[in-house]
Amino acid sequence: GNSVTQMEGPVTLSEEAFLTINCTYTATGYPSLFWYVQYPGEGLQLLLKATKADDKGSNKGFEATYRKETTSFHLEKGSVQVSDSAVYFCALSPSNTGNQFYFGTGTSLTVIP
Amino acid sequence: SAVISQKPSRDICQRGTSLTIQCQVDSQVTMMFWYRQQPGQSLTLIATANQGSEATYESGFVIDKFPISRPNLTFSTLTVSNMSPEDSSIYLCSVDPSGQYNEQFFGPGTRLTVL
Repeated sequence: GNSVTQMEGPVTLSEEAFLTINCTYTATGYPSLFWYVQYPGEGLQLLLKATKADDKGSNKGFEATYRKETTSFHLEKGSVQVSDSAVYFCALSPSNTGNQFYFGTGTSLTVIP
Repeated sequence: SAVISQKPSRDICQRGTSLTIQCQVDSQVTMMFWYRQQPGQSLTLIATANQGSEATYESGFVIDKFPISRPNLTFSTLTVSNMSPEDSSIYLCSVDPSGQYNEQFFGPGTRLTVL
């Protein structure tokens, strides 16, 4: 089946620290992979995506590389800011079951000054 | 891309009543999705709503409890019926305009509290 396993939080970092949030997946076929971010009191926003193996998605200083060999899509940022405090969701869209997305449980990040 | 609005943004309801949530998209889309996000948890797909046909419900969700309408390609409603405190959640609609698994765009959500 299809599923996403995400690093549990909450994660608390100091400003300018390095961030890694782990995400691994199980899927049939060749899924597309996504990271969504949910800021406090808001809906989900797409942060970045990758649609095939070895693709790197990037946005706002965040990066994630689609690793088929390890079935992973870890989110990284070299220097976090207080404004990055949010909940981050890893998600996949399988290639053969329509448009349904499968989400991880979310990782809450708090960045302190 | 797509811009999605939802009404209401939040509501507090009494046990046993029903609430209808509206989702409006600024472009025509084939498929719309309704999710539930319970406090501190991830998103769970409730159903997929296609225009002109019955919604397809995921395991654990039934039409009597969550009736959905999809009268046209830009609008859908989700009703939470006979509510109980366990229905307190954020309800989100989303669309994939491309139909190519490229991206889902989400509405801002409806925060429902049932007393």
